[in-house]
Amino acid sequence: QVQLQESGPGLVKPSQTLSLTCTVSGGSISSGSYYWSWIRQPAGKGLEWIGRIYTSGSTNYNPSLKSRVTISVDTSKNQFSLKLSSVTAADTAVYYCARVVGRGDYDYFDYWGQGTLVTVSS
Amino acid sequence: SSELTQDPAVSVALGQTVRITCQGDSLRSYYASWYQQKPGQAPVLVIYGKNNRPSGIPDRFSGSSSGNTASLTITGAQAEDEADYYCNSRDSSGNHHVVFGGGTKLTVL
Repeated sequence: QVQLQESGPGLVKPSQTLSLTCTVSGGSISSGSYYWSWIRQPAGKGLEWIGRIYTSGSTNYNPSLKSRVTISVDTSKNQFSLKLSSVTAADTAVYYCARVVGRGDYDYFDYWGQGTLVTVSS
Repeated sequence: SSELTQDPAVSVALGQTVRITCQGDSLRSYYASWYQQKPGQAPVLVIYGKNNRPSGIPDRFSGSSSGNTASLTITGAQAEDEADYYCNSRDSSGNHHVVFGGGTKLTVL
């Protein structure tokens, strides 16, 4: 059973960089044809896709966040990471990591982490 | 704004059938997937692709699609089905970007 666990600071100051890591257990991050993704959810609001990475290192980012987002992968640690720069209060949200299965005409998120709340405040 | 549109709220009587819809141009090309989210919990995949259920998801959940609309149907809704439901698909850009619908709050009466 694949499990994902987010970790990182719960409080980030405005204008700084938010950094989170997702640790994958129960399987190798490099096995299978999976993408690894970050999604966020502000309190009381819907889900927003941030971006995804393949273990080759290729990435896709939400166009609305692309200028501030970097997703990377460390296969030796079975982890992938998110960096979001120049954060504001609008970036306060629960951040989820998830595994993505890509098919010809659809993608789906089959495993999710429990989520971690990141608050942007001075 | 989301490229996938969902009704904000839907209600259903216990044991009855309810359909939750998701509309968007990308759905003419790509199948939607559906997620159930209960308060304080991570989303859970309930339907993916044409009409596939992950292991452990009751068969009262089903999916369908027509034109620019995808639907999640719950046949014989149970009290434990009360939750937020989100659809997602690739967006219509062709760049393998992903979009989520705004979510539908399902109330079981």
